[in-house]
Amino acid sequence: EDKVVQSPLSLVVHEGDTVTLNCSYEVTNFRSLLWYKQEKKAPTFLFMLTSSGIEKKSGRLSSILDKKELFSILNITATQTGDSAIYLCAVEGIQGAQKLVFGQGTRLTINP
Amino acid sequence: DVKVTQSSRYLVKRTGEKVFLECVQDMDHENMFWYRQDPGLGLRLIYFSYDVKMKEKGDIPEGYSVSREKKERFSLILESASTNQTSMYLCASGGLRDEQFFGPGTRLTVL
Repeated sequence: EDKVVQSPLSLVVHEGDTVTLNCSYEVTNFRSLLWYKQEKKAPTFLFMLTSSGIEKKSGRLSSILDKKELFSILNITATQTGDSAIYLCAVEGIQGAQKLVFGQGTRLTINP
Repeated sequence: DVKVTQSSRYLVKRTGEKVFLECVQDMDHENMFWYRQDPGLGLRLIYFSYDVKMKEKGDIPEGYSVSREKKERFSLILESASTNQTSMYLCASGGLRDEQFFGPGTRLTVL
């Protein structure tokens, strides 16, 4: 059975800190790993990773995938209160139709 | 801008009622999905559809059915709502090589 585990489940830091969120997975025939940010409503897409060792970056956020050790990390530098959200990790196996398996999510709180 | 809309943001129903949740996307995506989200459990896939009139069970289909009569519309049906179906329901759509785009969610309470 495909499985995604995120850690920590909850994290509280101060504004300006750097955080690292973890995602480990077990999936048959891996195709891609995705990160989403969820504030009050719809999850919004952050990154899609398919290849090991290639960092994806968007502003203060970056992510990298290790297909040998079966994990990914999401880094946020110089955190701001607007980064407070639930961060979701999901993996897609080669089963067709984009079927995703999600982790439990990490609830990140940034205090001013 | 990709748009996925859901018919209601909040819904309150009674045990035993039949409930319809509607989802519409405007990106001509082949794939559409229904998830439920519960604290500590993340998003769990209920049903998905990869084409009109095609549907596949996800991980937790019991107590639910779906309908996809048109490409842009995917409906989730609770035949006889129960209190354990109180949850946030999220619809998503995606093209063949795109990420999934999510709707704003429907928070359903079953009394």
